[in-house]
Amino acid sequence: EAGVVQSPRYKIIEKKQPVAFWCNPISGHNTLYWYRQNLGQGPELLIRYENEEAVDDSQLPKDRFSAERLKGVDSTLKIQPAELGDSAVYLCASTNHRGDEKLFFGSGTQLSVL
Amino acid sequence: AQSVTQPDIHITVSEGASLELRCNYSYGATPYLFWYVQSPGQGLQLLLKYFSGDTLVQGIKGFEAEFKRSQSSFNLRKPSVHWSDAAEYFCAVGDSGNTPLVFGKGTRLSVIA
Repeated sequence: EAGVVQSPRYKIIEKKQPVAFWCNPISGHNTLYWYRQNLGQGPELLIRYENEEAVDDSQLPKDRFSAERLKGVDSTLKIQPAELGDSAVYLCASTNHRGDEKLFFGSGTQLSVL
Repeated sequence: AQSVTQPDIHITVSEGASLELRCNYSYGATPYLFWYVQSPGQGLQLLLKYFSGDTLVQGIKGFEAEFKRSQSSFNLRKPSVHWSDAAEYFCAVGDSGNTPLVFGKGTRLSVIA
């Protein structure tokens, strides 16, 4: 079974440019998360989806960040415009809140803003 | 406010030696506690988690962790380290059995021969 798939693996852009990250969760997982991991830090939760609804986006910088999860499956995280401080690894994770189901993480998208 | 502190940024141990990685947390309610491992180029992998019951939790790859409420700690241990254990380890706290909300900054483990 495929795990959580993220693309692209790496992205280099100039500041003020837009960028988008894509996540395909494990089949059947209704809960999806986006985390941001800065260099030398632990991941920080940005947004949590239950199916297509964003149930917790309190940590998402809404002035430049947006996310969507159409049809409750794949998700896209967008930054527009990107700033130098946005350089980080963006992680997607999914789970199916059944009993003791655990969270599965993708390998992430490493963003460098120049 | 919720927080997780991992006091050791980097630890080096010899292969076969025992290991203990420290984690202290601050959380208002009874926390769910997690330990994750991250190898270069790999996604985060859950080692173990704790919510209630036995305070000594067994995980994968021979790891265990002990919850000490009085010390607000959840230290990770392994009796004999293997070279393949070299990675970054993160402690996290959450409000449910699957969602780590706040991570520590991580401890990088190096293993020498």
